[in-house]
Amino acid sequence: QQQVKQSPQSLIVQKGGISIINCAYENTAFDYFPWYQQFPGKGPALLIAIRPDVSEKKEGRFTISFNKSAKQFSLHIMDSQPGDSATYFCAASTGGFKTIFGAGTRLFVKA
Amino acid sequence: IAGITQAPTSQILAAGRRMTLRCTQDMRHNAMYWYRQDLGLGLRLIHYSNTAGTTGKGEVPDGYSVSRANTDDFPLTLASAVPSQTSVYFCASSDGAESSYNSPLHFGNGTRLTVT
Repeated sequence: QQQVKQSPQSLIVQKGGISIINCAYENTAFDYFPWYQQFPGKGPALLIAIRPDVSEKKEGRFTISFNKSAKQFSLHIMDSQPGDSATYFCAASTGGFKTIFGAGTRLFVKA
Repeated sequence: IAGITQAPTSQILAAGRRMTLRCTQDMRHNAMYWYRQDLGLGLRLIHYSNTAGTTGKGEVPDGYSVSRANTDDFPLTLASAVPSQTSVYFCASSDGAESSYNSPLHFGNGTRLTVT
């Protein structure tokens, strides 16, 4: 039973464009919403994370937008670059072993 | 470089055979986890350990067992492998007993396992 729904499954964006990945959750007890980036042959690595008491967090070209009432959050990648091509996972957590991951989005940025 | 080391990196295993995937961390993290990654399903938790000497079941524990004899090592054993266990397995750790805003999951580079 997947409690975090992620879309789209795959995304192709032109270099310099904006990549947007969306996630929705069900459990209102979640209090930590990280995004992980995974390159081929590597493990996922934390990209950016947000707590539900803020609506937006920005780190460089990466921004999380959070809508608590809608139980939705999204990752925006501004000025997308070919080096951003990877698989992105959203997650929701109330603690380490209580982290639920989305199904993942494969992003390809065309040069 | 500090982190998580997994071995082997890949393995082809005959159904019915026993296999142990190894995981070692050098960050002195309390908590460790095993996930499997399958296309379209994301990462699903198999087993976890909040501290040495304790383990718990995750979302998909059947057919797997773990042990946590010390802080650094967290092996995952498949007692009798089946084809449905073909997957990429990731070991992870976090600093606190529970992942928090300041304690994200750190992942190894995975073991690609094929059960024939």
